[in-house]
Amino acid sequence: GQNIDQPTEMTATEGAIVQINCTYQTSGFNGLFWYQQHAGEAPTFLSYNVLDGLEEKGRFSSFLSRSKGYSYLLLKELQMKDSASYLCAAMDSNYQLIWGAGTKLIIKP
Amino acid sequence: GAVVSQHPSWVICKSGTSVKIECRSLDFQATTMFWYRQFPKQSLMLMATSNEGSKATYEQGVEKDKFLINHASLTLSTLTVTSAHPEDSSFYICSARPNREQFFGPGTRLTVL
Repeated sequence: GQNIDQPTEMTATEGAIVQINCTYQTSGFNGLFWYQQHAGEAPTFLSYNVLDGLEEKGRFSSFLSRSKGYSYLLLKELQMKDSASYLCAAMDSNYQLIWGAGTKLIIKP
Repeated sequence: GAVVSQHPSWVICKSGTSVKIECRSLDFQATTMFWYRQFPKQSLMLMATSNEGSKATYEQGVEKDKFLINHASLTLSTLTVTSAHPEDSSFYICSARPNREQFFGPGTRLTVL
């Protein structure tokens, strides 16, 4: 079956660094997405990885290891506005997105 | 990035009435759109895949007669919740994909009294 696993909740301190892990099992693979969702709002796109390695975009970076079925989202210099849920999604061979349940990130001052 | 709009943003209705939600791709054509539902503190749940000019594909457990989907043009898909009940109260989100990246509409919060 197809499955995405990510932690339910994480807590970090303002100004610090946090890494949110995601493991996936899909029928075929066409990339790994990370989305940010604030409470009461729709998800917004953060990153897309299809090749192994680290993609850096400002304070956010995303890593992919296809052989391990593993990705992480790295958030640096955390700000209070980064408090949100972070959704990991893998695209299968049919180009359908398989969604994780999301990781709620709580930032403390 | 691409823009997906959704209307209305929120709606409150009486039990037994029907509610229509529109999803539009504003700057690209979308042969496929996706309808999600999200209950409080839960993950996105794909309800159905809307296909322009043909029948929608519903996920297991989603009643196609209750959640009517019409994708009449390359920029518009509608979801009608028929005979809505309080348990249908949820956050309904549509999305479309001009390429591999999936863009979401702002969502519609439905409250059924």
